[in-house]
Amino acid sequence: GAVVSQHPSWVICKSGTSVKIECRSLDFQATTMFWYRQFPKQSLMLMATSNEGSKATYEQGVEKDKFLINHASLTLSTLTVTSAHPEDSSFYICSASTTAVAQETQYFGPGTRLLVL
Amino acid sequence: AQSVTQPDIHITVSEGASLELRCNYSYGATPYLFWYVQSPGQGLQLLLKYFSGDTLVQGIKGFEAEFKRSQSSFNLRKPSVHWSDAAEYFCAVAPTGFQKLVFGTGTRLLVSP
Repeated sequence: GAVVSQHPSWVICKSGTSVKIECRSLDFQATTMFWYRQFPKQSLMLMATSNEGSKATYEQGVEKDKFLINHASLTLSTLTVTSAHPEDSSFYICSASTTAVAQETQYFGPGTRLLVL
Repeated sequence: AQSVTQPDIHITVSEGASLELRCNYSYGATPYLFWYVQSPGQGLQLLLKYFSGDTLVQGIKGFEAEFKRSQSSFNLRKPSVHWSDAAEYFCAVAPTGFQKLVFGTGTRLLVSP
């Protein structure tokens, strides 16, 4: 099946620094990629949807200047958490799909755990 | 607003016993419905999905789910649980037909010997 990787798998950073998380589709071209955030013992919350070559669409309440998303190629999307603060500590998960329609399967990466000190 | 409810936070089942995980959704029309499983260190894996047609859906790993419109439910079942089924299970809906998934809070399945 289709594989999505994330790098790094975990990261610890100091407050005020920026952190970049990569999401790659390894064996298929992902027209659409999604970024989720998961708090402990809570559900996944969609942060944004990105289509290759265009600006990401952010969900209500998600600061686009805080969470910069770039989808420059059909196999790579990046999420940059700018000026990270402890409240940004979370588990970030990406997923990828060949189209934006619900009938098409979303393939999920293993997640990146971010801890901001 | 669309929402997904998984009323059981934890469920413990004996190995070999049957399993049913509950999922209810709140939406005006019939959304697209999904069940995912999340194991530590691995990405969410799609177990099954329902879009239309037969309301009993077969998935991978011996799982099935039944869509009941009258109850706005999409419960996941397995007749005989294996120890390897221990994981977190998420029900999700795509209300608009596009890939904007709304997830439930998950049910953690524990399998006892």
